[in-house]
Amino acid sequence: DTAVSQTPKYLVTQMGNDKSIKCEQNLGHDTMYWYKQDSKKFLKIMFSYNNKELIINETVPNRFSPKSPDKAHLNLHINSLELGDSAVYFCASSQDGGSGANVLTFGAGSRLTVL
Amino acid sequence: GQNIDQPTEMTATEGAIVQINCTYQTSGFNGLFWYQQHAGEAPTFLSYNVLDGLEEKGRFSSFLSRSIGYSYLLLKELQMKDSASYLCAVRDSNYQLIWGAGTKLIIKP
Repeated sequence: DTAVSQTPKYLVTQMGNDKSIKCEQNLGHDTMYWYKQDSKKFLKIMFSYNNKELIINETVPNRFSPKSPDKAHLNLHINSLELGDSAVYFCASSQDGGSGANVLTFGAGSRLTVL
Repeated sequence: GQNIDQPTEMTATEGAIVQINCTYQTSGFNGLFWYQQHAGEAPTFLSYNVLDGLEEKGRFSSFLSRSIGYSYLLLKELQMKDSASYLCAVRDSNYQLIWGAGTKLIIKP
């Protein structure tokens, strides 16, 4: 299936731990993203990345770091997890990172619960 | 600051028509998007408007008026499966997407 897939779907962990969420897309898209959706349902961009440029939302704590081994993967690593990090994290990709319709294809989401 | 406003929740009857409004104030404008998100699932693309007017796609239509920072999503012949959240998003002058909190649409038989 052509899609954006992310793992794990659910992640429950203790404060202070380090965790990673993996994302892969086989759509041949040039740009990948990480979004955070909090309890109020706002989608907030965390990172966008293509072959040339990593754009970081300045409000994202530096405990969060994207890692891209290749064009089809953008993993999210989180250090020293805090209670406020509990949310659903969505990976997404698009063909064109700038102009045009630039439709996003989202992964199914990873629900992170920090205890 | 940048802001997208949508009603939090709406209720409609199966077979009826519903209009979900979205108003925005952003730094520049490079297109407006509507996405559908069923509970516990990923958002999926519905429509894209960059010029004023109405874009029709089957039972769904989206309207844009840039001069007043306004859009609506019109859903006709409502079906139970249309129960979902509808997210309005605007791409600003930096080509960054600014998202609204979404409108939860409840369809009743």
